[in-house]
Amino acid sequence: AQKITQTQPGMFVQEKEAVTLDCTYDTSDPSYGLFWYKQPSSGEMIFLIYQGSYDQQNATEGRYSLNFQKARKSANLVISASQLGDSAMYFCAMRTTGNQFYFGTGTSLTVIP
Amino acid sequence: AAGVIQSPRHLIKEKRETATLKCYPIPRHDTVYWYQQGPGQDPQFLISFYEKMQSDKGSIPDRFSAQQFSDYHSELNMSSLELGDSALYFCASSLGQGRVGNNSPLHFGNGTRLTVT
Repeated sequence: AQKITQTQPGMFVQEKEAVTLDCTYDTSDPSYGLFWYKQPSSGEMIFLIYQGSYDQQNATEGRYSLNFQKARKSANLVISASQLGDSAMYFCAMRTTGNQFYFGTGTSLTVIP
Repeated sequence: AAGVIQSPRHLIKEKRETATLKCYPIPRHDTVYWYQQGPGQDPQFLISFYEKMQSDKGSIPDRFSAQQFSDYHSELNMSSLELGDSALYFCASSLGQGRVGNNSPLHFGNGTRLTVT
């Protein structure tokens, strides 16, 4: 069965510091993609970053990077130099060859000034 | 760049009424998904379409139906509305169902917030 687990319901980080949001996944598919989405209080879902199961290097997009550890089946999101605007819900998601997307339960991040 | 367009943004209905939500995917995207997100919940997959054919079905109640039209827009029809149907309904589109190494993310619309009273 395919599954995404986010074990941190809520996280706090000081402005300008880095924070890691945890995500573990479970799939038997050899090919899959891992995604992170941000959902601010306004409700929209914003795509942040992608990591493919065959990618050798960790993905980076500006202040976002994905710490991909395939053997551990983890795909943690690292946000560097946190900003107040980073306060939001963050969802980890996985896409398998069956085209289904599976979402974790989300982590609520609060950036403290 | 064009994004996924959903209408209406907000909808208020009474119990037992019907509602229709519309979605216009990003041009050339071949797959459309519908998700339901309750307060404080993660998005729950309802149904998806690939090239206008239903491709996958999730936790969609029998009271709901959806279709994708020849112009690729999709509609989610909800009948006999219940209080528990109050949620944010997202449409998302993507490209390239089933391709090995598919890295196309879901692109979400801004959602329709449905309130059933």
